[in-house]
Amino acid sequence: NAGVTQTPKFRVLKTGQSMTLLCAQDMNHEYMYWYRQDPGMGLRLIHYSVGEGTTAKGEVPDGYNVSRLKKQNFLLGLESAAPSQTSVYFCASSPQGENQPQHFGDGTRLSIL
Amino acid sequence: AQSVSQHNHHVILSEAASLELGCNYSYGGTVNLFWYVQYPGQHLQLLLKYFSGDPLVKGIKGFEAEFIKSKFSFNLRKPSVQWSDTAEYFCALSPRGGYNKLIFGAGTRLAVHP
Repeated sequence: NAGVTQTPKFRVLKTGQSMTLLCAQDMNHEYMYWYRQDPGMGLRLIHYSVGEGTTAKGEVPDGYNVSRLKKQNFLLGLESAAPSQTSVYFCASSPQGENQPQHFGDGTRLSIL
Repeated sequence: AQSVSQHNHHVILSEAASLELGCNYSYGGTVNLFWYVQYPGQHLQLLLKYFSGDPLVKGIKGFEAEFIKSKFSFNLRKPSVQWSDTAEYFCALSPRGGYNKLIFGAGTRLAVHP
């Protein structure tokens, strides 16, 4: 009963390094999302996907790229990490259709030095 | 513009006290409304949701929320809190037809003392 699994759980990067965060869901959900959580700001949507092969920008997309090559996976990439991207990143998924709540992963704590 | 405002950033209560967390939203169309809870070190979990119908919705662990359309509010309540309710609470809206995307408030951190 895994639900939404995020890899890795923690990571420290140096400014300018690149990395990819992996999100995997086993609920056959169509929609997937990446959020960042910063103190006093709640969660903000970075990118989302409404199906395999599709992606769209959210509220704060700059500095991030995403890919959804397989329905169950949603990857978030940082090409050149900046200290402003230090945050906790949450992946979520939901079934297709209206009135569907999102299911969240455990988060990835990312620090950029 | 779409936004969610949570009135209190930090709330401290003693066990058995009553809880009410305020949430107001700004959106011109029809919305779905949610309260999520994040226990320390854990992921967000759904407490309750409102889509339509009875404006008083009941969720898990004795929580309830009331949707007041005229006030654009969706306040969360619990008659008697427990130490285990210590967590951060997020109000969120999802515009209808918006692929279930969520717009979150800043969150309210609740500490319950025994």
